[in-house]
Amino acid sequence: GENVEQHPSTLSVQEGDSAVIKCTYSDSASNYFPWYKQELGKRPQLIIDIRSNVGEKKDQRIAVTLNKTAKHFSLHITETQPEDSAVYFCAAPSNYKLTFGKGTLLTVNP
Amino acid sequence: GAVVSQHPSWVICKSGTSVKIECRSLDFQATTMFWYRQFPKQSLMLMATSNEGSKATYEQGVEKDKFLINHASLTLSTLTVTSAHPEDSSFYICSVSAGTGNQPQHFGDGTRLSIL
Repeated sequence: GENVEQHPSTLSVQEGDSAVIKCTYSDSASNYFPWYKQELGKRPQLIIDIRSNVGEKKDQRIAVTLNKTAKHFSLHITETQPEDSAVYFCAAPSNYKLTFGKGTLLTVNP
Repeated sequence: GAVVSQHPSWVICKSGTSVKIECRSLDFQATTMFWYRQFPKQSLMLMATSNEGSKATYEQGVEKDKFLINHASLTLSTLTVTSAHPEDSSFYICSVSAGTGNQPQHFGDGTRLSIL
């Protein structure tokens, strides 16, 4: 099965700074990598995803990069805002099931 | 993405009670739904994969006789926690995959279960 490692577990930044969260995975056959944002007590929401045929994908202030050789992918948030504060989860698939990382608590200080 | 409705959102009940949670796919016919459990400050742990018209596939360590899953239609899957005990208190979330293969999963609002 898939093993997903996510770092850091907590991240505190000043408003306007960038934040980077990194994940590694074990299954070389994995070809789809989503990122979810979860606010306290709410559902995880898909914020961006990437497939293995591209190395980078960007959506406004959010970007994801993928290095298939090294089996790691990263979430980049630029110009962070207080509303970006949440727990972020990466995930990787194996046999159509998603394995989630342990999550990163991002705090954006005004 | 798929719209997923989960009910109830919050349940408090006595130990020994059985609790049923519903997960509905409102705009998509889902042959597969997933059930997760999330303890405070922890990640989402897959409990089982719910397959329409057939038996659910449970993850290792999840008791199938305790967590009964029924997926009788393409829009509804139910999870019943039988004889619930305080250690079953958790946040239970279902998700729907928008297609075959590795596709985005869209989550319901979750059910917070508290067993007294």
